[in-house]
Amino acid sequence: GESVGLHLPTLSVQEGDNSIINCAYSNSASDYFIWYKQESGKGPQFIIDIRSNMDKRQGQRVTVLLNKTVKHLSLQIAATQPGDSAVYFCAENSSPGGSYIPTFGRGTSLIVHP
Amino acid sequence: KAGVTQTPRYLIKTRGQQVTLSCSPISGHRSVSWYQQTPGQGLQFLFEYFSETQRNKGNFPGRFSGRQFSNSRSEMNVSTLELGDSALYLCASSGGTPDNSPLHFGNGTRLTVT
Repeated sequence: GESVGLHLPTLSVQEGDNSIINCAYSNSASDYFIWYKQESGKGPQFIIDIRSNMDKRQGQRVTVLLNKTVKHLSLQIAATQPGDSAVYFCAENSSPGGSYIPTFGRGTSLIVHP
Repeated sequence: KAGVTQTPRYLIKTRGQQVTLSCSPISGHRSVSWYQQTPGQGLQFLFEYFSETQRNKGNFPGRFSGRQFSNSRSEMNVSTLELGDSALYLCASSGGTPDNSPLHFGNGTRLTVT
């Protein structure tokens, strides 16, 4: 079946650097994409989302880029901080029956060194 | 506004037993979804309930079941537990309509089957 995957399982960066986490998706019919952050012992936390009619969306220190041509999604974190250390999941949404049921990627572990 | 609450946080059960997990969604959210998270399989969708009806279902055996009450609180039950059912079970709530995403997760119930 179709799936969402991540290019890098682990990303190590220095505090203050910019981080880029990548995600490939295979379902060309997906129209909604979300990034989640999961810290140890907690559930995934929503970071930012983007719909397929956009190619870029910015939040506080985070930017999501969507390239529908190559089915690629990325999350950019500016001035990465130790508190950003977590596992990051991308998810794509399909909408059977009017409900969005996201399919999650496997996750990338971001490690920020002080 | 209170977040998604899951109880209990930890459970230890023996093979063959059954277990019930509870989830209280964010106030006003009508959709509750359940996910199983394991290191090997990542986040796997179990089922989604909306207005007390199961609206979507993932590819899990019938031993996994759930229900939703009129106040949107949800429970999931796993019968005849197997060792492979050891996982973090996450509940997430949302408004339940395509324009009312994304999911908001609780911190999960860690189930260990011995």
